[in-house]
Amino acid sequence: DADVTQTPRNRITKTGKRIMLECSQTKGHDRMYWYRQDPGLGLRLIYYSFDVKDINKGEISDGYSVSRQAQAKFSLSLESAIPNQTALYFCATSDPVGRGEEKLFFGSGTQLSVL
Amino acid sequence: SQQGEEDPQALSIQEGENATMNCSYKTSINNLQWYRQNSGRGLVHLILIRSNEREKHSGRLRVTLDTSKKSSSLLITASRAADTASYFCAGGQTGANNLFFGTGTRLTVIP
Repeated sequence: DADVTQTPRNRITKTGKRIMLECSQTKGHDRMYWYRQDPGLGLRLIYYSFDVKDINKGEISDGYSVSRQAQAKFSLSLESAIPNQTALYFCATSDPVGRGEEKLFFGSGTQLSVL
Repeated sequence: SQQGEEDPQALSIQEGENATMNCSYKTSINNLQWYRQNSGRGLVHLILIRSNEREKHSGRLRVTLDTSKKSSSLLITASRAADTASYFCAGGQTGANNLFFGTGTRLTVIP
């Protein structure tokens, strides 16, 4: 079984719809992240959480919200989806090892298309 | 704005050749990491080099880091078809809580 599991793997939705992407992990890591990937732009951080009570905005948080339901679960919501949110979304986890040297462990991604 | 950028964007080589990809970044870092992504899949960590290191090896991978030039390179020796993937650099920024990612190099190894 995958250590970081994202659901769904693919989603097609319409403009204005509310969408939730889910992430669960069995690695026991405290830190979880949501990234989006667009062609030619690499990965950009949307939100991150260092524990259940800690939520932080990343560089592109507008139009998104998150919920950390438990140490193992971190969901990303698009309250009112728009076409430029079409992208590949990744959840990742890490274990704090100090000196900012955490290695990220990624899920397989969710391809979201907003029509 | 993009904190990291990779060059070339795409690279195509024959099996057995070496592949070199470069990463340039804008901010101060305490470490530089490289990740691999097979098509449409999640990224997988390959190697980490600290800011006080100049070179690091892991199997067929060799990473260099020049903090004065804010650049790093990843060399894959004796490439295999299975090395076909996208490769991303990621920087651990001084004083920040998360990594920035480069734009990626798409490597194709022709059998």
